[in-house]
Amino acid sequence: AQSVTQLDSQVPVFEEAPVELRCNYSSSVSVYLFWYVQYPNQGLQLLLKYLSGSTLVKGINGFEAEFNKSQTSFHLRKPSVHISDTAEYFCAVSENPTGRRALTFGSGTRLQVQP
Amino acid sequence: GAVVSQHPSRVICKSGTSVKIECRSLDFQATTMFWYRQFPKQSLMLMATSNEGSKATYEQGVEKDKFLINHASLTLSTLTVTSAHPEDSSFYICSAGPGAREQYFGPGTRLTVT
Repeated sequence: AQSVTQLDSQVPVFEEAPVELRCNYSSSVSVYLFWYVQYPNQGLQLLLKYLSGSTLVKGINGFEAEFNKSQTSFHLRKPSVHISDTAEYFCAVSENPTGRRALTFGSGTRLQVQP
Repeated sequence: GAVVSQHPSRVICKSGTSVKIECRSLDFQATTMFWYRQFPKQSLMLMATSNEGSKATYEQGVEKDKFLINHASLTLSTLTVTSAHPEDSSFYICSAGPGAREQYFGPGTRLTVT
């Protein structure tokens, strides 16, 4: 079985400051890793994903994440946040490549960007 | 990117009635779709895997007789909440995709049972 841990339920940060949202996972097989963003009363939008290859993944809206296999982490970072980045962020995993395709989600981190 | 739609986006129903939610893949065929449930300020929990032409696979603790899933075509899966109760009020989200590499999520359906 796989699991995802997002240790920070809320992260307050000032506008234009850098931010890191932490994600750790546990799985007995290799996994694909994802970060999604959810705005209030909306579905999920994919920010970025790690499938294979380079461990540094760049996504939309200036976000990036680094896969660290030894630490089983996939932390999300942005060098300078905007007010519009205020949202809920979910880290998720699925089994690679022919295993369980459904995603297992972390509990989410609410990013609150303050002016 | 690929698009998944859901209908309705919001529904309010009375306790004891049934509600049907549709999930469509608009520009690709999906032999498998997934249904998730999200309570307020919580994460998404997988409810069931919808398989085209066969029975759905339910996660532990999800009542298959209460949450009926039908995947009648390669582009449509439906979730019917039968005899809905207030505790069924939630945000229901479906997803579909080419495989474990990517899943596309629908915009979600907000169900409120009064």
